[in-house]
Amino acid sequence: DTGVSQNPRHKITKRGQNVTFRCDPISEHNRLYWYRQTLGQGPEFLTYFQNEAQLEKSRLLSDRFSAERPKGSFSTLEIQRTEQGDSAMYLCASSLEGPDTGELFFGEGSRLTVL
Amino acid sequence: SQQGEEDPQALSIQEGENATMNCSYKTSINNLQWYRQNSGRGLVHLILIRSNEREKHSGRLRVTLDTSKKSSSLLITASRAADTASYFCATVSGGSNYKLTFGKGTLLTVNP
Repeated sequence: DTGVSQNPRHKITKRGQNVTFRCDPISEHNRLYWYRQTLGQGPEFLTYFQNEAQLEKSRLLSDRFSAERPKGSFSTLEIQRTEQGDSAMYLCASSLEGPDTGELFFGEGSRLTVL
Repeated sequence: SQQGEEDPQALSIQEGENATMNCSYKTSINNLQWYRQNSGRGLVHLILIRSNEREKHSGRLRVTLDTSKKSSSLLITASRAADTASYFCATVSGGSNYKLTFGKGTLLTVNP
């Protein structure tokens, strides 16, 4: 399968714990995006990588959030000291072109529940 | 912040009927895209329409764009139960050529 892969699909954690999500993009895609989606809402942009460079971070990403893309391949999104408000679906997408000219390919998402 | 607003928020129809969803946005755009999301799953791209296009077709999908009214519509003809999903419009605007801004979506239910 050559789609965008996200792991884990589901994560339940207690408030205050750290969690990490992984995204493996489509192999030839140099652009990678993280979005967050809460119930009943559309996805909201979190951050964007072009190759290994993180070019944009939304103000939604507090200092408890960090994303990396070492060597421009897979990416990780870490949330430290989780809060109940962090409960959401975290979506990763990749693309060859930017969304101003082409589509994004999304993974199935990682659903986080903070108790 | 959400750029697009879909209307209606929810739509329930019978199989075989057509479904029309609307999207309004606030600022000038480069293009507008429609995505579909099955419950609890990722998003799947349906169609992209550029700001200089007025109408586009893909299979049973027809998208229109009216930049003067800052609105778009998605028409699904001859709906099927498998079309049951949430549908989102998303826009790219201004200098943020890497950021898609999504609306809140329309939940379409097609009853068999």
